[in-house]
Amino acid sequence: TQLLEQSPQFLSIQEGENLTVYCNSSSVFSSLQWYRQEPGEGPVLLVTVVTGGEVKKLKRLTFQFGDARKDSSLHITAAQPGDTGLYLCAGEDNDMRFGAGTRLTVKP
Amino acid sequence: DTEVTQTPKHLVMGMTNKKSLKCEQHMGHRAMYWYKQKAKKPPELMFVYSYEKLSINESVPSRFSPECPNSSLLNLHLHALQPEDSALYLCASSQRDRGYNSPLHFGNGTRLTVT
Repeated sequence: TQLLEQSPQFLSIQEGENLTVYCNSSSVFSSLQWYRQEPGEGPVLLVTVVTGGEVKKLKRLTFQFGDARKDSSLHITAAQPGDTGLYLCAGEDNDMRFGAGTRLTVKP
Repeated sequence: DTEVTQTPKHLVMGMTNKKSLKCEQHMGHRAMYWYKQKAKKPPELMFVYSYEKLSINESVPSRFSPECPNSSLLNLHLHALQPEDSALYLCASSQRDRGYNSPLHFGNGTRLTVT
């Protein structure tokens, strides 16, 4: 079973700050997905990255897939309280298992 | 609103009870999943059905019994659970099983409490 490691595990920042969270593995994935989960709800897909080196932008969120397709990062610019949640990565070819997640809190 | 519907939203059951969790999707997805999520933890994979056949069982205790009556429905039958089984049980679906760039669509879960 390939292992996905996410860092940091917890992150608490002020509104307006920038942040980056990471998802790393020693295995190669055909694609990698990022999800956000809010309390009382199921995870919701944010993005799928497929090509090594690919960069995708979703408003203030920028996702990057590593050249070797083993790792990914999520960068949030000017974070807002609405960004608060649990951010999860999941690697394709990994039986749809998740990394441990990054719990983000954005304080007003 | 999510396109994957789970019922009930909340369930409280005793250790001797038998209950079932239900999940339904009408997106034509051929893979369906059960995950268990404890508080402040990521979802943990329990079962995967692909084309209505059980393809993955993550060594889940037999007190949890999945069933896939058809491609739109997924059940999880519960019997003789323990208090430590209390968790959020999430159902998900995807167009196909792993390896096909097929993201997961989740329901909002059933919050299970075992007393």
